[in-house]
Amino acid sequence: TQLLEQSPQFLSIQEGENLTVYCNSSSVFSSLQWYRQEPGEGPVLLVTVVTGGEVKKLKRLTFQFGDARKDSSLHITAAQPGDTGLYLCAPFSGNTGKLIFGQGTTLQVKP
Amino acid sequence: DTGVSQNPRHKITKRGQNVTFRCDPISEHNRLYWYRQTLGQGPEFLTYFQNEAQLEKSRLLSDRFSAERPKGSFSTLEIQRTEQGDSAMYLCASSLGGIETQYFGPGTRLLVL
Repeated sequence: TQLLEQSPQFLSIQEGENLTVYCNSSSVFSSLQWYRQEPGEGPVLLVTVVTGGEVKKLKRLTFQFGDARKDSSLHITAAQPGDTGLYLCAPFSGNTGKLIFGQGTTLQVKP
Repeated sequence: DTGVSQNPRHKITKRGQNVTFRCDPISEHNRLYWYRQTLGQGPEFLTYFQNEAQLEKSRLLSDRFSAERPKGSFSTLEIQRTEQGDSAMYLCASSLGGIETQYFGPGTRLLVL
């Protein structure tokens, strides 16, 4: 069974601050996805990382996949209140497509 | 909007009652997934369909739970004899295939009193 840990579990910061959240496992991932979920809505895919060491940018969000493909990080620069939400990571299995999510990091950005 | 839709959005029921939720996937998506999410946690996989065939069920899906996708389009998830522990958000997602992006619906929030 794959154990996926996300940290921190909860983060409350002021608008304009930078932050990094982490997704770690003892298993090697073939690929990993990051999602953001806003209250009362379903998760929305942000990015898929596939190659060890890969870095992808989405505006102020930077995603990095660890060299060994066991961990990933999400860095947000100059956070805004609109970034508030639950950030989830999930290894992606192309065989079944089912997602096994971590518990997530709840981010609150105060104006 | 042709995204994934779920009905109802909210459901309050008394313990012991049966409830049924509906998911309408994006048109032509052959994969449909059900997940359950409790407060402060990530979604947990319940089951998925390829067209009308239910291909996998999680151990989380007890005998009180049943899911169908009779014509390979919409799906229903029924919970019989609800328990307070069934209170959660039930999410549906669809994709074109196993390797394609999953699109989630807004979920049905169930509260069992």
